[in-house]
Parts: sequence; C-alpha cells; structure tokens
Amino acid sequence: EAQVTQNPRYLITVTGKKLTVTCSQNMNHEYMSWYRQDPGLGLRQIYYSMNVEVTDKGDVPEGYKVSRKEKRNFPLILESPSPNQTSLYFCASSPLAGGPIGELFFGEGSRLTVL
Amino acid sequence: KQEVTQIPAALSVPEGENLVLNCSFTDSAIYNLQWFRQDPGKGLTSLLLIQSSQREQTSGRLNASLDKSSGRSTLYIAASQPGDSATYLCAIPPYGQNFVFGPGTRLSVLP
Repeated sequence: EAQVTQNPRYLITVTGKKLTVTCSQNMNHEYMSWYRQDPGLGLRQIYYSMNVEVTDKGDVPEGYKVSRKEKRNFPLILESPSPNQTSLYFCASSPLAGGPIGELFFGEGSRLTVL
Repeated sequence: KQEVTQIPAALSVPEGENLVLNCSFTDSAIYNLQWFRQDPGKGLTSLLLIQSSQREQTSGRLNASLDKSSGRSTLYIAASQPGDSATYLCAIPPYGQNFVFGPGTRLSVLP
C-alpha cells in the first residue's frame, strides 16, 4: 500500500531533550516536506526536499533540522526542543515526474508536546 | 508571493444540501490545484487534483473546477452527509515555488 509513515505518532518530551521524528514513503517520490499545524495558524511549512541531498527552508525552519540521505526517508530533528514547538507535525511527499510537482500525499501526523 | 484564501471559513448545513466551497489564489501561474479533507487531529486526505490544463475533476459526489484566469477553484459537494463534516483545504504549487495552503473551510453537516 502506498503510504507516508511517520513515527512517533504521539510524543511528550521535556525542553532541551533532542528528538527525531521519522518520515518514510514507499512511492519513490522525489519531493518530501515537513509541516506544522497550529490552531488559528493553519499549515506552515518547515523544510522541504526536492531530492536526495537537496533540502531547503520553508516558512518556519527555526529550531529544526532535516536530512535527506535516502530517497524514501526525511527525518525531522529538533536539537533542543522548546515549548513553542508543541504542535501537530505532518510529513508529505509528491512525485516531481520530471517537471511539475504532482499530487501531495500526507502522513497521519505526529503530535508533539514539549514541557 | 502566492496567497490562497478560502471562503467561507466555516459552514453549517442540513443533511442533503448541495454546497460550494471556494478557493482563491493571487498568482495564476500554477502547476495544479489540490483539494484535501482533514478530520480533527488527523492527517490530510487528498480528494481531487486538477492539473492546470484541466477545468474540472469529479470523484463521486465531489466536483472541483478550476478557473486560472480568475484565480478561483470551487469544490462542489452534492447531497451532503454527516460524514462529510471535516475541514476542507486547497493547496497550490506555483511555478518555482513551494506548496501554498489555504486556511481551510470547516464544514458541519447536521443530521
């Protein structure tokens, strides 16, 4: 089954404790992206990647890191989490198909709470 | 910079009504437009994808249209059901830019 898988789905952590949210897709998509969703602010993009070893900042990259060493994986790293990073996080992927970005597929989301 | 708005922000209708959700965008140079559905606390499910060369797409009771020249897309839901209650978002990947999402329309269909 074609899917985008995120882990963990739920996480409670404390300020400053490094964490990684994994994202994996099995559709051989070139494009992958991370979003956060907060009440009243909608979906905001954190980072995106057009292909392996190619990443770029979205609208709200501060406090986050990403890497794209393999096509299928795009982990989101919070080096020193703070309470303002408490949010619902989504990973998404899309085929580039050699040109225009195609349909966007989302993971189920990861709810992160930083105390 | 592409901006996407959605009207109305919220909508409540009785079961069985036909309804229209609107998505407007400022830059007509787009690859495609995608409509999503999101249930509370859940991920986004793709409903319809309209390529820039198309004018509409249909899936079951859903029909989405695209008018690039006027910067508008509409999502038509026929014979609404309580199970259609969710937030509906449109998203656009403009040329040379990244996906831009609208704020969403929160739909409630009352039994």
